[in-house]
Amino acid sequence: DAGVTQSPTHLIKTRGQQVTLRCSPKSGHDTVSWYQQALGQGPQFIFQYYEEEERQRGNFPDRFSGHQFPNYSSELNVNALLLGDSALYLCASSSRLVRFTDTQYFGPGTRLTVL
Amino acid sequence: KQEVTQIPAALSVPEGENLVLNCSFTDSAIYNLQWFRQDPGKGLTSLLLIQSSQREQTSGRLNASLDKSSGRSTLYIAASQPGDSATYLCAPMDSSYKLIFGSGTRLLVRP
Repeated sequence: DAGVTQSPTHLIKTRGQQVTLRCSPKSGHDTVSWYQQALGQGPQFIFQYYEEEERQRGNFPDRFSGHQFPNYSSELNVNALLLGDSALYLCASSSRLVRFTDTQYFGPGTRLTVL
Repeated sequence: KQEVTQIPAALSVPEGENLVLNCSFTDSAIYNLQWFRQDPGKGLTSLLLIQSSQREQTSGRLNASLDKSSGRSTLYIAASQPGDSATYLCAPMDSSYKLIFGSGTRLLVRP
């Protein structure tokens, strides 16, 4: 089992551009959550997907959007990038069947730098 | 709105010491509380998960306690080792299945 995988590992963009980050959940998991972690801070919840729909959303603008595919993998899209979007983006997967009793499994993250 | 505070923000200790990391949260309506470890620039590794009905959980040299009514959790690390050096994050889970993280405690264990 490869665990949670994310791509790319690193990404450099300029202000105003758009970016897509990808996540493949752990085998058997159907729920994907995305978090943004600024340097020196704890992760902040962006949104959560299951059954191919956004179910929960944190305090992030509409520039942040996502998608979940039938195979449970997910994408995070950020439009009109700002310098403040520079962060480590973490994907976490879990199973709704045990969502309150089992941990969320995190991927290694994608480091986004906006110049 | 749930707010999570971790104290201390940073800690440097000699190898072999026993440590206590503190986490406080403002909303006691949680389903569980999790402790994670994060190495620099890496993802999060789950250490312990405590259900809201539990008082503590143990894994090897780690012990985590939870006092939901007072909004506190502690992570106890026994006989610390240089390999324990990392950032430790606590995260209560709310009813919408979101993890709310503190800013973490950066731990350095000196040989």
